[in-house]
Amino acid sequence: GAVVSQHPSRVICKSGTSVKIECRSLDFQATTMFWYRQFPKQSLMLMATSNEGSKATYEQGVEKDKFLINHASLTLSTLTVTSAHPEDSSFYICSVVDGTGNQPQHFGDGTRLSIL
Amino acid sequence: DAKTTQPPSMDCAEGRAANLPCNHSTISGNEYVYWYRQIHSQGPQYIIHGLKNNETNEMASLIITEDRKSSTLILPHATLRDTAVYYCIVRVATGANSKLTFGKGITLSVRP
Repeated sequence: GAVVSQHPSRVICKSGTSVKIECRSLDFQATTMFWYRQFPKQSLMLMATSNEGSKATYEQGVEKDKFLINHASLTLSTLTVTSAHPEDSSFYICSVVDGTGNQPQHFGDGTRLSIL
Repeated sequence: DAKTTQPPSMDCAEGRAANLPCNHSTISGNEYVYWYRQIHSQGPQYIIHGLKNNETNEMASLIITEDRKSSTLILPHATLRDTAVYYCIVRVATGANSKLTFGKGITLSVRP
């Protein structure tokens, strides 16, 4: 069964709108979650590392005020794309990892964001 | 910087074994080799991982060379549903450096 639930699967909205994406760990408590972005015909690019109860760590070139991450519980992290514009249209994917040992990351099914 | 190199694409016939190569000549002693695949418009799916011993699960086998500088993912009986982009990634097991860095992967096309 699914290990990670990501919602919504697809969003279409107007420019200037803020969009929230949820990532839930279903099978275990995830102290760490990762957020990736994937543009068409490109590979996944890590945006940020989300740690429960602390501030997220953003990769170079990713605006923290543009992409707000909240990891308020061990099973839920949210990514909010603030004042989205067409260039933010992309496939956003989260992953969760069990930090207790050598466990693989499991990914959500992704959110297709389209800004008109 | 990518720590693995993979051919851009390959194909194989349905029902035959698909052998996907990966080079990771700069792998460190505490880094594992992971394989994921991504079917179009879906999130990556974990396949298998290993440190130095060969591994097998219900999806695939992973063969790692003795010097650990390369590995091969084997899908024993490829089906049309195995058509996907396959990513070979090296990763430290746990801790802050346990993030995955995706390269371009190899596109496997399984033909009828």
